[in-house]
Amino acid sequence: NAGVMQNPRHLVRRRGQEARLRCSPMKGHSHVYWYRQLPEEGLKFMVYLQKENIIDESGMPKERFSAEFPKEGPSILRIQQVVRGDSAAYFCASSRGTANLANTGELFFGEGSRLTVL
Amino acid sequence: KQEVTQIPAALSVPEGENLVLNCSFTDSAIYNLQWFRQDPGKGLTSLLLIQSSQREQTSGRLNASLDKSSGRSTLYIAASQPGDSATYLCAQRGNDMRFGAGTRLTVKP
Repeated sequence: NAGVMQNPRHLVRRRGQEARLRCSPMKGHSHVYWYRQLPEEGLKFMVYLQKENIIDESGMPKERFSAEFPKEGPSILRIQQVVRGDSAAYFCASSRGTANLANTGELFFGEGSRLTVL
Repeated sequence: KQEVTQIPAALSVPEGENLVLNCSFTDSAIYNLQWFRQDPGKGLTSLLLIQSSQREQTSGRLNASLDKSSGRSTLYIAASQPGDSATYLCAQRGNDMRFGAGTRLTVKP
């Protein structure tokens, strides 16, 4: 049972280009979370998706960033017109379901995609 | 606003010491608290998950406790080894998951 798969692991873009980061959740998981980690900082929540639905995008920048999780295929985090400040590690996590008093909703993380904007 | 704070930000100890990492959270609507380890340039490895109904979890030399009433969790590492050097992150699981900034641990041989 493969874990959470992210690709590419490393991506270099020039300012103004587009970056697409992909995340395939663990088998049987329908909940996907994206986080951003700037150098020397903790993980910041960006967006939470279920199949074909965005549940919580409160951590997403208002412009240039979008995310989707289609019925078929991986979740995609898309950054348009990248700027140097977008350089970071982007982590995806998946869970089987939500957390509540009966279920842990444990998250499993991928290895991350490291974006460098020149 | 949900906040997770970790103290200290960095810690350096000689090999063999027992140590405690602290995590505090402000949101009482917590389902569980999870401790992770992150090595430089790598992803997150889950160490321990404590559900809100539990008070502690143990795995090998690691012990994590949870006190919901005070909004605190501690990660205890016994007999530290150089291989324990990493950043340790705690995360509060409510409707989503919020992370602290981490404690960067260095264990010197």
